Amino acid sequence: EVQLVESGGGLIQPGGSLRLSCAASGFTFSSFSMSWVRQAPGKGLEWVSYINSRSSSIDYADSVNDRFVMSRDNAENSLHLQMNSLRAEDTGVYYCVRDPGSTVLTPKPYFDNWGQGTLVIVSS
Amino acid sequence: AIRMTQSPSSLSASTGDRVTITCRASQGISTYLAWYEQKPGKAPKLLIYASSTLQSGVPSRFSGGGSGTDFTLTISCLQSEDFATYYCQQYYTYPWTFGQGTKVEIK
Repeated sequence: EVQLVESGGGLIQPGGSLRLSCAASGFTFSSFSMSWVRQAPGKGLEWVSYINSRSSSIDYADSVNDRFVMSRDNAENSLHLQMNSLRAEDTGVYYCVRDPGSTVLTPKPYFDNWGQGTLVIVSS
Repeated sequence: AIRMTQSPSSLSASTGDRVTITCRASQGISTYLAWYEQKPGKAPKLLIYASSTLQSGVPSRFSGGGSGTDFTLTISCLQSEDFATYYCQQYYTYPWTFGQGTKVEIK
């Protein structure tokens, strides 16, 4: 059974930093591209960042570019999102998601497995 | 960025009804379109990808179609467990974008 378990969320002041992690199990993590998707309270879904299976291609939404850094450790089956210079508009639930659609060279991410999400609240 | 517009934003329906949700892309995306279902307090669940391919384990009352800019998600016979919010998502080109959601409520 595929499992994605996020951690690291919490309450943080504007301008602060948080590091989210996602522990993956039940599948060959190193074979899949992964993404983070977030959802502000009462709002829709927003793709945040993408990483291919080899970490050779990483993309970010404009809203987080230059502030967030995504990484993965295939040996540890883990995914990370370092979030810096946090803003109130970054508040929301962050989901770790598996992407069966992309290859190493061609990103075509849709998301077949989702974690339960971790809540990030940016507020003073 | 490609804008994905769903209609309606919400609808009321009864168990047993046939329901169709539309998703329109601001430019052509071939068939790189996925649909998700989300229930309150839960993570989204993939229903359909490649516009019309049913994800494993999803009931056959769900179907999808379309290509280019216009897509549909149809629930042929609405069940009580289908009352939820539905999102479309394009994965044709970066940045990958979602529709604003369609909430299906009980009439």
